[in-house]
Amino acid sequence: SYVLTQPPSVSVAPGKTARITCGGNNIGSKSVHWYQQKPGQAPVLVIYYDSDRPSGIPERFSGSNSGNTATLTISRVEAGDEADYYCQVWDPEVFGTGTKVTVL
Amino acid sequence: EVQLVESGGGLVQPGGSLRLSCAASGFTFSSYWMSWVRQAPGKGLEWVANIKQDGSEKYYVDSVKGRFTISRDNAKNSLYLQMNSLRAEDTAVYYCARGIPTRGMDVWGQGTTVTVSS
Repeated sequence: SYVLTQPPSVSVAPGKTARITCGGNNIGSKSVHWYQQKPGQAPVLVIYYDSDRPSGIPERFSGSNSGNTATLTISRVEAGDEADYYCQVWDPEVFGTGTKVTVL
Repeated sequence: EVQLVESGGGLVQPGGSLRLSCAASGFTFSSYWMSWVRQAPGKGLEWVANIKQDGSEKYYVDSVKGRFTISRDNAKNSLYLQMNSLRAEDTAVYYCARGIPTRGMDVWGQGTTVTVSS
């Protein structure tokens, strides 16, 4: 089965940049989507098709995908960005293991 | 307003059955793939099943194949998940979500909780 591996946690100071990786075999050949989930809430799509942002998502959120790694980058991190983040691909449909982002 | 509302969750004994429903509104339901995604307590997201716009294709995670059935009624703007032979490990919050393969799952319901316990 296809596995997407993320670091369990990432810590970042306010105003700095957080980078969350998503590793998968030849993931660069797939479309990668990213979700933010805050405690007790449903996930929210923050990046789709590797690097596109849905309307309403700040430009601080960006994505890239190449080779065996996709990356979600959060620039100028704010306290409100503290959440769990998941990558996801289709065909096969699978979510990454999830990364908890802590704002110091 | 684009909205998905799940219902049907509850407490069920191991080996029992439950049918989840997801009511869609505010968009053309028949134009979208629909998925069920679950999250066990304290765990990550797990895709469970999805269904093509016209219901002609259905896919399942291995752990639920033969026990769960996804279906939809486009005339009623509704998505369903029939869950049989439930196990303790099926305990989770179940979300329905609309999606397009190249655009991800852009609308999610609030979730419905399924607890499998004796």
